[in-house]
Amino acid sequence: DTEVTQTPKHLVMGMTNKKSLKCEQHMGHRAMYWYKQKAKKPPELMFVYSYEKLSINESVPSRFSPECPNSSLLNLHLHALQPEDSALYLCASSQVRDRANEQYFGPGTRLTVT
Amino acid sequence: KNEVEQSPQNLTAQEGEFITINCSYSVGISALHWLQQHPGGGIVSLFMLSSGKKKHGRLIATINIQEKHSSLHITASHPRDSAVYICAVRVSGGGADGLTFGKGTHLIIQP
Repeated sequence: DTEVTQTPKHLVMGMTNKKSLKCEQHMGHRAMYWYKQKAKKPPELMFVYSYEKLSINESVPSRFSPECPNSSLLNLHLHALQPEDSALYLCASSQVRDRANEQYFGPGTRLTVT
Repeated sequence: KNEVEQSPQNLTAQEGEFITINCSYSVGISALHWLQQHPGGGIVSLFMLSSGKKKHGRLIATINIQEKHSSLHITASHPRDSAVYICAVRVSGGGADGLTFGKGTHLIIQP
């Protein structure tokens, strides 16, 4: 199984809503990532979890709150978002070793904030 | 200056043509990735390179570490190859780090 799954595929939420994005992998990877991609732009790294601990937070606003409840799951909790937060949110995972490893990407969640 | 530069930004070619997409980077890296993204879609990893050359089907990727340059080639291109091709690097260091992405090359293969 070399798949990273993400739910939901599409999400529309108002600025006062609270919602969560979910990501799951069963490849035994111990590094998981959240990226944000605006239209016609490359992805931008938001968070990195390594062994279920947050290791990188790229100055993301606190209205985005990541959570890694176990080695297979990664959540992104959303609260009080702004319309400019509308984007494709991509999850990825990889092995954690000294050498670089391939990142496997999920299909993404397309988020629209109204 | 971006750490990862791709060229061309846009490329339109006829079916069957040989395609080359270039990527240059300005930082020390531990790996370079070539990724494919179809419109509105998720990202598929095509290659991860740290040296030399890799081939998968009609796709070939090469990297020259000394020159900090990589190329992605598509032989016998087909309309289904139409997509955005993204070069991404993992900056040198151990453990888990995110990727730094180029802006992508938008490829259209016309029948």
